[in-house]
Amino acid sequence: DTEVTQTPKHLVMGMTNKKSLKCEQHMGHRAMYWYKQKAKKPPELMFVYSYEKLSINESVPSRFSPECPNSSLLNLHLHALQPEDSALYLCASSQETGVPEQYFGPGTRLTVT
Amino acid sequence: AQKVTQAQTEISVVEKEDVTLDCVYETRDTTYYLFWYKQPPSGELVFLIRRNSFDEQNEISGRYSWNFQKSTSSFNFTITASQVVDSAVYFCALSEANQGGSEKLVFGKGTKLTVNP
Repeated sequence: DTEVTQTPKHLVMGMTNKKSLKCEQHMGHRAMYWYKQKAKKPPELMFVYSYEKLSINESVPSRFSPECPNSSLLNLHLHALQPEDSALYLCASSQETGVPEQYFGPGTRLTVT
Repeated sequence: AQKVTQAQTEISVVEKEDVTLDCVYETRDTTYYLFWYKQPPSGELVFLIRRNSFDEQNEISGRYSWNFQKSTSSFNFTITASQVVDSAVYFCALSEANQGGSEKLVFGKGTKLTVNP
């Protein structure tokens, strides 16, 4: 089973709202990732969690706050977003050692109004 | 610095044609991984293949084949007898090995393939 699930599939939020994106995997992977993808662009790495600890933050604005409650779950908390933050947010996971390919979820299409 | 170049922005073919997607990469490392991902209109990135820098054997999986040539730093992807369901954006990606497992992927800009009936 190579499934990564993400909820919600679509999200529309105002600039003053607080919302969260959720990601779950049951493959026993110990590394999890958040990516942001704008239209017609490749995914851009935002955060990496390794063994539930934040290992990489690609200088993401603080209005995006990641959280890894356990090895299977990854959240992205959103607050005071800007319209330019509208994008597809992809979650991915990979094994910590040996097999480096990342498996992606279907993404959350976020629109900030 | 690592870099992946997919020079073909968009390709349009008619069903049953063969099509090759080009990928050229740059890295200073001797150990690295190359990947191809498919992104259909639904948005999910689907892993297709991984190749490590020490394995230059070409690979075939059904209608898909990959040609890895270190001498030219290329990792090209060929779809034989294309089908409408192959329509998607295809990304080539590169990562360095031995980074403790949580790999940073460097993506090319992607090639949008449209297969017309």
